[in-house]
Amino acid sequence: RKEVEQDPGPFNVPEGATVAFNCTYSNSASQSFFWYRQDCRKEPKLLMSVYSSGNEDGRFTAQLNRASQYISLLIRDSKLSDSATYLCVVKEGSQGNLIFGKGTKLSVKP
Amino acid sequence: GAVVSQHPSRVICKSGTSVKIECRSLDFQATTMFWYRQFPKQSLMLMATSNEGSKATYEQGVEKDKFLINHASLTLSTLTVTSAHPEDSSFYICSARDDTSSSYNSPLHFGNGTRLTVT
Repeated sequence: RKEVEQDPGPFNVPEGATVAFNCTYSNSASQSFFWYRQDCRKEPKLLMSVYSSGNEDGRFTAQLNRASQYISLLIRDSKLSDSATYLCVVKEGSQGNLIFGKGTKLSVKP
Repeated sequence: GAVVSQHPSRVICKSGTSVKIECRSLDFQATTMFWYRQFPKQSLMLMATSNEGSKATYEQGVEKDKFLINHASLTLSTLTVTSAHPEDSSFYICSARDDTSSSYNSPLHFGNGTRLTVT
């Protein structure tokens, strides 16, 4: 069974903390990887793509280890507005449908 | 940026009725659209892949006769939940891939979802 698995969470952290999320995927043929953010009862929104060389977007850093089939997301200097569920997503198939992890809930407290 | 409009955003219906959900790509053409469902505290699960001009491809366990998909144009796909039952209550989300996007790595664009409650 093809799956994307994430840390169960929830993560409760104070403002300014650094927090890391992990994700593993089972399909070694997967080629594209993303982190999405989903706020309560809303649609998921793309946070960032994940590239083999690792990539950074402001306070967010994503890493990919193809050999271990492992993806990570690091958030530095957490803000209250970062509170959400973070979804690890893998694109598969010729038509490119997305396989979602269950998500990890982050709650940033003042 | 690319926008996908999904309508309605919320619907409450009685058991046994049918509900139609529309998904429109507003500023791009989408030969392929995807329909997802999300139950509380669960991940988004792909229900079916909708292709303009051809039959939808359903995931295992999803009844094609219950969840009717029509993708009649390059900007519109509809999902009809027929004879809805309380267990169909869920959050339904569509997504679309821009036909002009040449990269497989390009992300999909999501609608804002439809929260269906069947009483």
